[in-house]
Amino acid sequence: QPGLTQSSSASASLGSSVTLTCTLSSGHSDYVIAWHQQQPGKAPRYLMKLEPSGRYNKGSGVPDRFSGSSSGADRYLTISNLQSEDEADYYCETWDSYTHGVFGGGTKLTVL
Amino acid sequence: EVQLVESGGGLVQPGGSLRLSCSASGFTFSDYWMTWVRQAPGKGLEWITNIKQDGSEKYYVDSMKGRFTISRDNAKNSLYLQMNSLRADDTAVYYCAGGDDVLSAHWGQGTMVTVSS
Repeated sequence: QPGLTQSSSASASLGSSVTLTCTLSSGHSDYVIAWHQQQPGKAPRYLMKLEPSGRYNKGSGVPDRFSGSSSGADRYLTISNLQSEDEADYYCETWDSYTHGVFGGGTKLTVL
Repeated sequence: EVQLVESGGGLVQPGGSLRLSCSASGFTFSDYWMTWVRQAPGKGLEWITNIKQDGSEKYYVDSMKGRFTISRDNAKNSLYLQMNSLRADDTAVYYCAGGDDVLSAHWGQGTMVTVSS
């Protein structure tokens, strides 16, 4: 089963851009992942599905400021023009043929 | 609009049981894989179990096999999680989630389960 590694924290200034990274475990670099956002005290929200090619498909209502990209085993979430409401925990998720899902440990994003 | 609403959480004693429900609306429930995810206080998301559209396949994280049972009733647009032999470390918010090509494309608001004497 695949594993996912995320940095525990990140920070960036209001109005700037930030890129969060999710790394798939060895042998799983061809896996699709999903990115989710969890604002403080709220349920997670699906942001996008991200393929190994870098193609991504966003969920309903996700702002254009959010984009995804891929390189090898790394999956990236880039947030442009950071807003205060982007301060949240961000999780990546993957699965094995729709079975045995797994989440990364999450990255806590602070907007300065 | 897709809606998932969990219920059934609460306070239970160690060793006790609880059955969570998730009521779905706004989409064809029988088209979706459905998943339970939990989040202990101050911790990250933990995938627990999921079930195929027709209920024919169920998968569990190893640590919960034998204690937790997932089921669904497509006629009632409902998902369930039967939890037995509950322990203090099962204390968490439990979310149901669903999707067709992404396991967790839609999330409920969660229900809190507290295991304590």
